[in-house]
Amino acid sequence: EDQVTQSPEALRLQEGESSSLNCSYTVSGLRGLFWYRQDPGKGPEFLFTLYSAGEEKEKERLKATLTKKESFLHITAPKPEDSATYLCAVRPGSSNTGKLIFGQGTTLQVKP
Amino acid sequence: EAGVTQFPSHSVIEKGQTVTLRCDPISGHDNLYWYRRVMGKEIKFLLHFVKESKQDESGMPNNRFLAERTGGTYSTLKVQPAELEDSGVYFCASTKVGTEAFFGQGTRLTVV
Repeated sequence: EDQVTQSPEALRLQEGESSSLNCSYTVSGLRGLFWYRQDPGKGPEFLFTLYSAGEEKEKERLKATLTKKESFLHITAPKPEDSATYLCAVRPGSSNTGKLIFGQGTTLQVKP
Repeated sequence: EAGVTQFPSHSVIEKGQTVTLRCDPISGHDNLYWYRRVMGKEIKFLLHFVKESKQDESGMPNNRFLAERTGGTYSTLKVQPAELEDSGVYFCASTKVGTEAFFGQGTRLTVV
C-alpha cells in the first residue's frame, strides 16, 4: 500500500536555527515526490518536485533532497515567515491518474 | 493568471441537507482533482477528471457524493444528504499533464 509518513508532527525553532523535516514513503513506482507549504485557511502551495534518488532542489532558505526511501526538507536560518505546515506527497506509478498521496504534514513555528 | 478558485469558502449545514461545492480550475488545465482533509487526518484523494470525464472515483466515500464537470470547465461536488462525518476541508486542484498540482484555498464544510 502506498504510504507517506512525515516527522516530526510539529517543530518549534528559533529564528536562524536550521533544521530538517523528514518524509518517508513507500510507493509502487514513484512518479514524483512533491513538497507543499500550507498556511492557515489556505490551500497547499507548491514548492518542489523531485523525481529520482539523489536529486536536490533549492528555493531561498529551503532545500529538498530525495533518496529511495525518504525525502528531507532542509530549512537554513529560518525566519518567522517560514512558519507554516509543510506537506509531502507522492504520485504513485501504479496510478495513471496523477493523484497524490499525502503525509499528515509537519507544522513549523519559527519564533523571532 | 488566475489560480484555482473554490466557492464557498465556508459552509455550515444541518445533517440531512444538501450542499454543493464549486471549483474553477486554472484555464487550460484538463486535469481536475478533488481532495478532502478530515480533522486530524491527512489530505485524501476523492476523484479525478480529465476534461469532462471521470478517470478515477476510487476515493469517493459513498454514493452520497456526486461530482460533475460541465463541459470540461468548472466542477461541482454535491453531498446529499450530508452526514456529520462529511465535515472537513474540501480542496480542488488542477494540473496540466504530468505537472505539479495547483490547489484552491479549500471549502470548509461543517455539518451540524
